[in-house]
Amino acid sequence: GAVVSQHPSWVICKSGTSVKIECRSLDFQATTMFWYRQFPKQSLMLMATSNEGSKATYEQGVEKDKFLINHASLTLSTLTVTSAHPEDSSFYICSARDSRSGANVLTFGAGSRLTVL
Amino acid sequence: LAKTTQPISMDSYEGQEVNITCSHNNIATNDYITWYQQFPSQGPRFIIQGYKTKVTNEVASLFIPADRKSSTLSLPRVSLSDTAVYYCLVGDTNQAGTALIFGKGTTLSVSS
Repeated sequence: GAVVSQHPSWVICKSGTSVKIECRSLDFQATTMFWYRQFPKQSLMLMATSNEGSKATYEQGVEKDKFLINHASLTLSTLTVTSAHPEDSSFYICSARDSRSGANVLTFGAGSRLTVL
Repeated sequence: LAKTTQPISMDSYEGQEVNITCSHNNIATNDYITWYQQFPSQGPRFIIQGYKTKVTNEVASLFIPADRKSSTLSLPRVSLSDTAVYYCLVGDTNQAGTALIFGKGTTLSVSS
């Protein structure tokens, strides 16, 4: 089945620094990828839709200058948390749809846990 | 996008069948119903998807009545490893640019 890989799986950084998280579709091409964030004991919240070759679409309340998304190829989207602060500490999860499968299922990465000190 | 309502939590014992019902009264004609399982600190994992009637795979069954305003995920003979959060999502999965919006999910606790 379709596989979505995220890297790093966890990262610790100092406040004020920037962190990049990569999301790759390993065995299929994805023109669209989705980025979610999840706080402890809460559900996933959609942050943005990443479109290959064009600007990402951000959900209401998500700062586009804070969370930079780049979808430069059909298999890679990156999320950069700029000038990270402790309140940005969260679990970030990307997903993509393998349109080859009849079920058209959204496949999720394993997630990246960000801790900002 | 259709809103879903699920029980916040459920408890079960090993070997029992567990049925989790999800309400989606505003489901649209093109919407599919998809269930995901999530363990702590992991991404959601696809369980099953359906449009109407009954769908069964190696891990679960999905029952959808004719009006499609609800659906029931059935897990046969659960084990301790089935302890997880289960999400019911509704959306037009044939549209590549359509994300899935997560509700609160159901936390299933399986005891021995």
